[in-house]
Amino acid sequence: DADVTQTPRNRITKTGKRIMLECSQTKGHDRMYWYRQDPGLGLRLIYYSFDVKDINKGEISDGYSVSRQAQAKFSLSLESAIPNQTALYFCATSVGSGTGEQYFGPGTRLTVT
Amino acid sequence: GDSVTQMEGPVTLSEEAFLTINCTYTATGYPSLFWYVQYPGEGLQLLLKATKADDKGSNKGFEATYRKETTSFHLEKGSVQVSDSAVYFCALVLQGAQKLVFGQGTRLTINP
Repeated sequence: DADVTQTPRNRITKTGKRIMLECSQTKGHDRMYWYRQDPGLGLRLIYYSFDVKDINKGEISDGYSVSRQAQAKFSLSLESAIPNQTALYFCATSVGSGTGEQYFGPGTRLTVT
Repeated sequence: GDSVTQMEGPVTLSEEAFLTINCTYTATGYPSLFWYVQYPGEGLQLLLKATKADDKGSNKGFEATYRKETTSFHLEKGSVQVSDSAVYFCALVLQGAQKLVFGQGTRLTINP
């Protein structure tokens, strides 16, 4: 099945470490997104990319960076992790010509100690 | 700015009860509206959608109608099951924007 996959699914890291979360999709979608989910806050957009050469900041991009290595791959990096970046991170995709719905990966649970 | 407001949870019901989860929105244009569901330990799944006023989205016994006059998109189900226990998110996207705006989520628990 065409899918959105995320690696790793769980990660524990220490304050100050650099960490990368990876997302791959086989849906053939051109648009990819990174979200963060915190309890009681819903999902907040970190970065999004409408194609390989287009990267845009979302509402909470500070402390994060991204790379769109190919149409199917979009990675999120925390250059120097801090405890308040402990959260559930989701990658999503959509098709630019569609009606706007996005398709989500299973999530990465990140804990920064 | 554009926003989505959902009824606060958690919501606890007995099996076979009627469900309503309220959702209202504020948008500068004419959004498409969605309900997503998140089962424990999983990502968000699209449950249903509506792209214009008076459209009704439906899936798995759930329904929601796009009400432009009241800027609402309430989720309903006539008879809930234990397997419906999850967190439900209402969301919107404006035409051309392609960025989803989410409500805060409503946790639903169904007891047998």
